[in-house]
Amino acid sequence: EVQLVESGGGLVQPGGSLRLSCAASGFTFSNYWMSWVRQAPGKGLEWVANIKPDGSEKYYVDSVKGRFTISRDNAKNSLYLQMNSLRAEDTAVYYCARDSPGVGIDYWGQGTLVTVSS
Amino acid sequence: DIVMTQTPLSSPVTLGQPASISCSSSQSLVHSDGNTYLSWLQQRPGQPPRLLIYKISNRFSGVPDRFSGSGAGTDFTLKISRVEAEDVGVYYCMQATQFPLYTFGQGTKLEI
Repeated sequence: EVQLVESGGGLVQPGGSLRLSCAASGFTFSNYWMSWVRQAPGKGLEWVANIKPDGSEKYYVDSVKGRFTISRDNAKNSLYLQMNSLRAEDTAVYYCARDSPGVGIDYWGQGTLVTVSS
Repeated sequence: DIVMTQTPLSSPVTLGQPASISCSSSQSLVHSDGNTYLSWLQQRPGQPPRLLIYKISNRFSGVPDRFSGSGAGTDFTLKISRVEAEDVGVYYCMQATQFPLYTFGQGTKLEI
């Protein structure tokens, strides 16, 4: 069974930093692209970033370029999102998700809430 | 970037009756490999999204056959043949043709 478990969310002040983690199990993590998708309170879904299986390619939505960094550790079956220079508009539930060839995003974690507020 | 537009944004439905949601894209979703990477997701209240349909009309593992997808090019439809109480939630279309960049529709709230 595919499982994705996020952690690391919390309350942070504007301009601060936070690192999210996602522990993956139930599939061969090193074979899959992985994504972060966020959802602001009461709003829709926004894809944030994804990373190639070997970590050699990374892509970001324009609004987080230069502030967020996606990374992975295939030995630990883990995905990360380093978030710097956080803004109020980054407040959202952040989901870890698996990208599947020919499908798109097929599995989602439960999400972790990030609140940026003074 | 491809913009995805859903209609309606809210849809009152009756249990046992059919329901339909539309999604249109700002440009064709036909990939150079000939496939069309249009998915539908369901998000029940308080839950993460769940994949229902991929490549326009393929039901994902465990998805009931009352859900079906159709369409081509830039216009797509999700249909529920007979709405059940557990179908309440928000439905999103998502394009993966522009992989590795994804975009979602605004979401359609299905309410009894």
